Amino acid sequence: LAKTTQPISMDSYEGQEVNITCSHNNIATNDYITWYQQFPSQGPRFIIQGYKTKVTNEVASLFIPADRKSSTLSLPRVSLSDTAVYYCLVGRGFQKLVFGTGTRLLVSP
Amino acid sequence: GAGVSQSPSNKVTEKGKDVELRCDPISGHTALYWYRQSLGQGLEFLIYFQGNSAPDKSGLPSDRFSAERTGGSVSTLTIQRTQQEDSAVYLCASSSLLGVQGEKLFFGSGTQLSVL
Repeated sequence: LAKTTQPISMDSYEGQEVNITCSHNNIATNDYITWYQQFPSQGPRFIIQGYKTKVTNEVASLFIPADRKSSTLSLPRVSLSDTAVYYCLVGRGFQKLVFGTGTRLLVSP
Repeated sequence: GAGVSQSPSNKVTEKGKDVELRCDPISGHTALYWYRQSLGQGLEFLIYFQGNSAPDKSGLPSDRFSAERTGGSVSTLTIQRTQQEDSAVYLCASSSLLGVQGEKLFFGSGTQLSVL
């Protein structure tokens, strides 16, 4: 199982771009990289998933270098409502999926 | 249903009692996961099911914990002789693999278990 390492916490201000990097040095060939967002008293919610290069959706972008040993979640122009814990998860189907410790993002006015 | 449903949403029990937590996954989802989250902590993997089978039970904290899934749908997590350290939010997630791709987990809102 690929182990992930993320910063414990990050601070930002409204309107700024936030980049959260996750290290996963022992990622396997068939593993995907998925990011989840969790608000207090709620279950995590899927944000974005990728395998290589760059993926973009309506809320975020995911950058994955060629060696796939890390990934960066990019949140453009954050707002107060983006304050949450963000988890990077590496794995594939039909296996145990272990979450890391997550990154607590605090967005201030 | 539209999403993953867990019940009860809150459960208060006395130390030594048994509790059952229920998870109703999204219809058609073949994989089902249980996680535990203590206050202010990350998600601790407990067990996952592929259909009715549990290939990996390594995350269950002790033999007081057990889980089953019937009909490839509803799952029940049972904690026997509850202890205060079992107090946490128990989260269930389901997923459906489409072709060769990574899993996308859909989580329920969890069951807040408090052992007095």
